[in-house]
Amino acid sequence: DTGVSQDPRHKITKRGQNVTFRCDPISEHNRLYWYRQTLGQGPEFLTYFQNEAQLEKSRLLSDRFSAERPKGSFSTLEIQRTEQGDSAMYLCASSLTRQGGETQYFGPGTRLLVL
Amino acid sequence: SQQGEEDPQALSIQEGENATMNCSYKTSINNLQWYRQNSGRGLVHLILIRSNEREKHSGRLRVTLDTSKKSSSLLITASRAADTASYFCATAPPPGTDKLIFGTGTRLQVFP
Repeated sequence: DTGVSQDPRHKITKRGQNVTFRCDPISEHNRLYWYRQTLGQGPEFLTYFQNEAQLEKSRLLSDRFSAERPKGSFSTLEIQRTEQGDSAMYLCASSLTRQGGETQYFGPGTRLLVL
Repeated sequence: SQQGEEDPQALSIQEGENATMNCSYKTSINNLQWYRQNSGRGLVHLILIRSNEREKHSGRLRVTLDTSKKSSSLLITASRAADTASYFCATAPPPGTDKLIFGTGTRLQVFP
């Protein structure tokens, strides 16, 4: 399978714990995006990388959230001191973008439940 | 925050009928994309239409774009039960940022 993959697919944690999600983009895609989707809503942009550089962060991304893409390949999204409001589907997407405005391909998502 | 809204929020039809979903957005765009999402799954890209295009086809899908009205429509012809899903439009702002801004989605139910 050469699509975007995410791990884990599901995560249940207790409030206050830290969680980390991983995204592996389509090989050679230079841009990687993180979105968050709550029930009944469309995805909301969190952040994106071009290669290893983090180019934009949403104000939704509080100080408890951090994302990395250390070698310009896979990315991790960490949430520290989780809160019940963090419960959502976290989606990763990638694109091969030279000038912007290209198709983003999404992974299956990681569903987080904070108890 | 959401860019705009899809209309209707929910749509139920019989197999073989056509389904039309509308999307309105608020700001200028570089392109507009339509995605499908089966329950609890990731998003599947359907079609991308650029701001200088007015209509685009892909199989049973037809997308139109009216930038003067800031609206788009997705038509699925001869629907099938397998088309049952949520459909989202997403806009990409002009160059300078590459994030997609999604609408609220239309939940389509196709009955056999």
